[in-house]
Amino acid sequence: QVQLVQSGTEVKRPGASVKVSCKPSGYPFKTYGMSWVRQAPGQGLEWVAWLSAYNQKIYYTPSLQDRVTMTTDRSTGEAYMELTSLTSDDTAVYYCARTLGITPFFDSWGQGTLVIVSS
Amino acid sequence: SYVLTQPPSVSVAPGQTARITCGGNSIGDKSLHWYQQKPGQAPVLVVHEDSERPSGIPERFSGSNSGHTATLTISRVEVGDEADYYCQVWDGSSSDVIFGGGTQLTVL
Repeated sequence: QVQLVQSGTEVKRPGASVKVSCKPSGYPFKTYGMSWVRQAPGQGLEWVAWLSAYNQKIYYTPSLQDRVTMTTDRSTGEAYMELTSLTSDDTAVYYCARTLGITPFFDSWGQGTLVIVSS
Repeated sequence: SYVLTQPPSVSVAPGQTARITCGGNSIGDKSLHWYQQKPGQAPVLVVHEDSERPSGIPERFSGSNSGHTATLTISRVEVGDEADYYCQVWDGSSSDVIFGGGTQLTVL
């Protein structure tokens, strides 16, 4: 069955960077899109990035596009999300999610990676 | 930027019907998706493209989208349906995925 397994909890100092990984299985990695969504403690969902399977373009949320980079390693079938210049506002659970549609939606999610930014 | 508005909370008795709304300017022109999230868990897609149900989602979950309001309807509500529910669209004008603020469903 479809599974997305993410890397473990990260604790970072303000100003540092973090790179979170996501390893999908149970489906052909190259034929589906992938996205990252985050959720701050007690808050709602916030989209971060989307790799479209249709045009191979990566879209970023405007509020983070200067600090976030999404990459994939097709040889290993893994996806990564790197966020730089961390502040306490970046403390959140980061989810990867398999993405369908030309106007994207998320049909399978990873278990989430907690990123804590604290001095 | 585009905004989706959800009521913060909805309460319903077991066996009754819950309706969770999601408002947005001409939202009926967009493809609308709904997610269920229980505490400490990742979200689960329950309705996509306005009214399509993924495999494994009970028929009790249905969606509609027209004009300025989309609605997630949960029939014969069960205690296990207690969760936060989020609506979501793609705003092509800003190339941005938009989530509603979420609605907490309480089953009394």
